[in-house]
Amino acid sequence: RKEVEQDPGPFNVPEGATVAFNCTYSNSASQSFFWYRQDCRKEPKLLMSVYSSGNEDGRFTAQLNRASQYISLLIRDSKLSDSATYLCVVKEGAQKLVFGQGTRLTINP
Amino acid sequence: DTEVTQTPKHLVMGMTNKKSLKCEQHMGHRAMYWYKQKAKKPPELMFVYSYEKLSINESVPSRFSPECPNSSLLNLHLHALQPEDSALYLCASSRDRVFVFGQGTRLTVV
Repeated sequence: RKEVEQDPGPFNVPEGATVAFNCTYSNSASQSFFWYRQDCRKEPKLLMSVYSSGNEDGRFTAQLNRASQYISLLIRDSKLSDSATYLCVVKEGAQKLVFGQGTRLTINP
Repeated sequence: DTEVTQTPKHLVMGMTNKKSLKCEQHMGHRAMYWYKQKAKKPPELMFVYSYEKLSINESVPSRFSPECPNSSLLNLHLHALQPEDSALYLCASSRDRVFVFGQGTRLTVV
């Protein structure tokens, strides 16, 4: 079983739609969780951290369910500029980031 | 300064060449990392330096040799690479929960 699993997609949705991504992780001792965004041929950039209470940043909402070891990302009112690969990331120990394989999202006009 | 700077941005090298990738940050982060990313795959951890000492080596072949001359610099020395080593090499630094990635060096081994 992979340490962090995501549906690779691709997801193709129309502009303005709501889209949700899910991710599961295997290490129950993991303490920190993130969503990163990666554009084609660019470096990953932090989109948002994920907290147990759930957190929102504009059109983006992240949720964490520790009991189910499940992380989600919801994008509302999607924009063309949201097209990217979204990486679910779990921090193991003090220093190791483990990446999911990424979910590719394309927003269509 | 909130960036991690990597040089060069692109590198083409032959299998008998020796080259080095460089990474620099001035955010006071004491942990620095090398990741390797193949096309359509997630980044994979190679090395971690913590307070200038190598703390994690993810069983990377010896043809990759990391070096941390000081708290702001991280190098990756390359020697006798194979074509399958062609990839995007990402440097990152961190403090607490904050991880910052450089733009990467796109390496092609011919």
